[in-house]
Amino acid sequence: EAGVAQSPRYKIIEKRQSVAFWCNPISGHATLYWYQQILGQGPKLLIQFQNNGVVDDSQLPKDRFSAERLKGVDSTLKIQPAKLEDSAVYLCASSPALVWGNEQYFGPGTRLTVT
Amino acid sequence: DAKTTQPTSMDCAEGRAANLPCNHSTISGNEYVYWYRQIHSQGPQYIIHGLKNNETNEMASLIITEDRKSSTLILPHATLRDTAVYYCIVRNYGQNFVFGPGTRLSVLP
Repeated sequence: EAGVAQSPRYKIIEKRQSVAFWCNPISGHATLYWYQQILGQGPKLLIQFQNNGVVDDSQLPKDRFSAERLKGVDSTLKIQPAKLEDSAVYLCASSPALVWGNEQYFGPGTRLTVT
Repeated sequence: DAKTTQPTSMDCAEGRAANLPCNHSTISGNEYVYWYRQIHSQGPQYIIHGLKNNETNEMASLIITEDRKSSTLILPHATLRDTAVYYCIVRNYGQNFVFGPGTRLSVLP
């Protein structure tokens, strides 16, 4: 079974530039999550989708971050414009069910460096 | 905020059991204890979870105290590949996972 795919694996940009990350979840998984992980900390949930609808985006900085999952499969997370404090690893995860799923399956992440 | 407290780091000799403690003194009756780990440059990986009873799978054992205020993850025969950050998470079904800083386990040869 193929795992969660993310690209790119690494990205370096200057502050005020824009960047986009892509995630393809495990086939058939209805729920998709984006997390931000700052160095030395645990992952922090940014947004959660159920199929193509947003379930929770309470921790997403909406003035600069946006995410979409148009066809209920793959997803894109965008930052525009980036700030220095956005330097982090962005993790995508998926699970088969919203409420009763025990496990989230994580991708390898995209490491973003903002200079 | 995370509802759990874990030591910042631990060492374990290769081949020995690794016992990782977690304090969750404010856990409520419907909340489960989950463990994930994160190997360097990878995303977190699910290990095990439990409610009241001790649990065991092919990766680890989870021991939960009778009052449920603390738990221990046991890796019975640690290998170098078990070096990772281990996260203990308290969560009710339907709630999001809230990750704390975890315990950095170093398995030493």
